[in-house]
Amino acid sequence: EPEVTQTPSHQVTQMGQEVILRCVPISNHLYFYWYRQILGQKVEFLVSFYNNEISEKSEIFDDQFSVERPDGSNFTLKIRSTKLEDSAMYFCASSPQGSLNQPQHFGDGTRLSIL
Amino acid sequence: GENVEQHPSTLSVQEGDSAVIKCTYSDSASNYFPWYKQELGKGPQLIIDIRSNVGEKKDQRIAVTLNKTAKHFSLHITETQPEDSAVYFCASPTLTGTASKLTFGTGTRLQVTL
Repeated sequence: EPEVTQTPSHQVTQMGQEVILRCVPISNHLYFYWYRQILGQKVEFLVSFYNNEISEKSEIFDDQFSVERPDGSNFTLKIRSTKLEDSAMYFCASSPQGSLNQPQHFGDGTRLSIL
Repeated sequence: GENVEQHPSTLSVQEGDSAVIKCTYSDSASNYFPWYKQELGKGPQLIIDIRSNVGEKKDQRIAVTLNKTAKHFSLHITETQPEDSAVYFCASPTLTGTASKLTFGTGTRLQVTL
């Protein structure tokens, strides 16, 4: 069964450094998402992406964050200058369409630890 | 925005018993309700979903019921097994721009004991 894959599984970075999290969505999916989960809390929406542009972003997704689809398979999340509070699990998801009743499929996440 | 409440936060059942997790949502336009299972160190895995044109959907030992009038939906797991132990999240999508975003509940940690 096709799945969303994310790399790396764990990223340790010094505060203030840039980090790029990578995702390969399911191949025939057109909509891509990033979510965040702080330890012990619920999963929170960060951003949705379609047709090479951001569809929606949450208030968490400030100017330090950016997303890109650099080629036909990868979808990346960049944090320009990391802060301690960016430490969390970051999940990529994809769906075939963007409508309300389409399932979103998640990867296993990248654990980001900011020191 | 959408608000999703989930209860209970923890649930411990004996193997073979049933487990029920309940969620309420606020957006009356919502018409699709997925449930996700998250095992330790893994991402949320979609286990069952329901669309608003039906009141119940069943897949082997798991079922979801939906009450649109009351704006709540529930996950039912029968004949629980140790491998059902995980954190379960309900979610409700909201259409934003050209895509939808999921608002998750706060999660239920299910522990199935022998």
